[in-house]
Amino acid sequence: GAGVSQSPRYKVAKRGQDVALRCDPISGHVSLFWYQQALGQGPEFLTYFQNEAQLDKSGLPSDRFFAERPEGSVSTLKIQRTQQEDSAVYLCANTGPNTGELFFGEGSRLTVL
Amino acid sequence: GENVEQHPSTLSVQEGDSAVIKCTYSDSASNYFPWYKQELGKRPQLIIDIRSNVGEKKDQRIAVTLNKTAKHFSLHITETQPEDSAVYFCAAPISSGSARQLTFGSGTQLTVLP
Repeated sequence: GAGVSQSPRYKVAKRGQDVALRCDPISGHVSLFWYQQALGQGPEFLTYFQNEAQLDKSGLPSDRFFAERPEGSVSTLKIQRTQQEDSAVYLCANTGPNTGELFFGEGSRLTVL
Repeated sequence: GENVEQHPSTLSVQEGDSAVIKCTYSDSASNYFPWYKQELGKRPQLIIDIRSNVGEKKDQRIAVTLNKTAKHFSLHITETQPEDSAVYFCAAPISSGSARQLTFGSGTQLTVLP
């Protein structure tokens, strides 16, 4: 994931607050993925963009989760009315030069109290 | 049931010994099988992958084998070193919604004892 930048790295929210997590992908990359990694688990797919089009959002766990990529570069994952079960690391990824490869950013660790 | 099953969940080996981690997958159309290493507090990093047109791939001390008939693939680490200690995840593209997305196993915590 060289070049995939995520912010904030750490976020603490009170239950019920809205949060926004940002992903700055590698410049010029068409594809962008969001994954959720709960403690002690593997990453789980949330959603996928190709340029500004959200082609797959089947992994979003509820309608409180919303992602956008309006100009086909920076993406934001928004979680409304956060719940404790939303606590996880949220990983953004770009594809690599070979088909199927995913390269992750450092992630945003969300803790909901 | 899980689409990608991984075992063991924990593995301890003596330095210099070999470690093997196994995964099975459910989607017979899957054709790409990566392995990721994740150190504590860090992002998952791709360490090796294999495509369905080959049965084995090696990169120095790391190798991956694939059995498409049985739908399982394995990571082999030889001459383990303390810096190999980490969580390892396998993955495979499994049908999700309108596309096939990379689905991860639940991880194996590898500890290499000095």
